[in-house]
Amino acid sequence: NAGVTQTPKFRILKIGQSMTLQCTQDMNHNYMYWYRQDPGMGLKLIYYSVGAGITDKGEVPNGYNVSRSTTEDFPLRLELAAPSQTSVYFCASSYPLGWGTYNEQFFGPGTRLTVL
Amino acid sequence: GNSVTQMEGPVTLSEEAFLTINCTYTATGYPSLFWYVQYPGEGLQLLLKATKADDKGSNKGFEATYRKETTSFHLEKGSVQVSDSAVYFCALSDRGSNFGNEKLTFGTGTRLTIIP
Repeated sequence: NAGVTQTPKFRILKIGQSMTLQCTQDMNHNYMYWYRQDPGMGLKLIYYSVGAGITDKGEVPNGYNVSRSTTEDFPLRLELAAPSQTSVYFCASSYPLGWGTYNEQFFGPGTRLTVL
Repeated sequence: GNSVTQMEGPVTLSEEAFLTINCTYTATGYPSLFWYVQYPGEGLQLLLKATKADDKGSNKGFEATYRKETTSFHLEKGSVQVSDSAVYFCALSDRGSNFGNEKLTFGTGTRLTIIP
């Protein structure tokens, strides 16, 4: 199993450009997440998905869009890049045990994005 | 809302020293608590967890006890090694979602460096 993979590892964008961060997992997990990690801050949830075709906003969704057409893939789209979106982006997945219980989240290696 | 407060870093220790990283939380209901570790250049991985009061999570020589009365989940290790150098994140889960989706709230992370 490759686990959770993310591409690209690094990217520099100019203000106003758009891009898609790719995330794929091969563990057949229902739940997938996108986080951003700013320097000196904890991770903030951007969007999450509980299964193919179902997505919902997290804590900091503005400026981002997601889609979930398959169980494996959960791409994150930045339409008009802004310097405030300079961050490290992590994708994660999990398989819930059931309501009120918890199974661990598995993280990808991250994408470091700089917007200039 | 939920929040996690972690001991600020960076923390620098000599090999074989005793480690404590403090973590306190604010939550409604009965959250699960976690410690995640991020090694250089990698994504986060679960270190240990505790799902109810007085539970002790342990892994790789690290321990943390879920203390409901003090709302704390401090991470400890008796004798640290150079290979323990990493960033450590305390986190809690939100059990209030309709989907049973365990969304995590992270602390800001504590960078630990162990000197030989």
